[in-house]
Amino acid sequence: KAGVTQTPRYLIKTRGQQVTLSCSPISGHRSVSWYQQTPGQGLQFLFEYFSETQRNKGNFPGRFSGRQFSNSRSEMNVSTLELGDSALYLCASRTGLAGDADTQYFGPGTRLTVL
Amino acid sequence: GQSLEQPSEVTAVEGAIVQINCTYQTSGFYGLSWYQQHDGGAPTFLSYNALDGLEETGRFSSFLSRSDSYGYLLLQELQMKDSASYFCAVKMNRDDKIIFGKGTRLHILP
Repeated sequence: KAGVTQTPRYLIKTRGQQVTLSCSPISGHRSVSWYQQTPGQGLQFLFEYFSETQRNKGNFPGRFSGRQFSNSRSEMNVSTLELGDSALYLCASRTGLAGDADTQYFGPGTRLTVL
Repeated sequence: GQSLEQPSEVTAVEGAIVQINCTYQTSGFYGLSWYQQHDGGAPTFLSYNALDGLEETGRFSSFLSRSDSYGYLLLQELQMKDSASYFCAVKMNRDDKIIFGKGTRLHILP
């Protein structure tokens, strides 16, 4: 089974621009979660999508948004980029079904640098 | 708010045993997970505890005490390849998000 894939792997943008990141979960997984990872802050939860619906949301401003398609692929968008948005963005997939193990499988991440 | 506390760094010697603690304060509790992340890599799942007690998987064990809101990860027979960051993570309800601690950087000395 193929793992979680994320594109692009690296991205450089300037302040004020917007960016879209993509995540393809493991086949059969319906839940995709997004995390922002910065040094010293660990993994901060952005949002989770399950069956095309946002199921959970973290404490990030509205500039951060996402969506999920019918094939479970997910995109995350950040508008009006700020320097502080520079981070590793990780997506993780799991089955999302009640009763299943909660193991999350992470993709390699997208390294976003905002100049 | 929700919080997970774990030490920022731990140092141990190759071949020894090390314990990484995690205490949590959350409005609900459904399970505690542990993840390992090597530099430049993605987090990978290590273990999961939903009930009190010890879960063992090879050289790694994880313990949970729900009454104390506390858990730990125990690594035995440490190897240099175990040098990594370790994260505890909590899910508060069945369909809830999984929140992570800030991670513990494990340094292993030869």
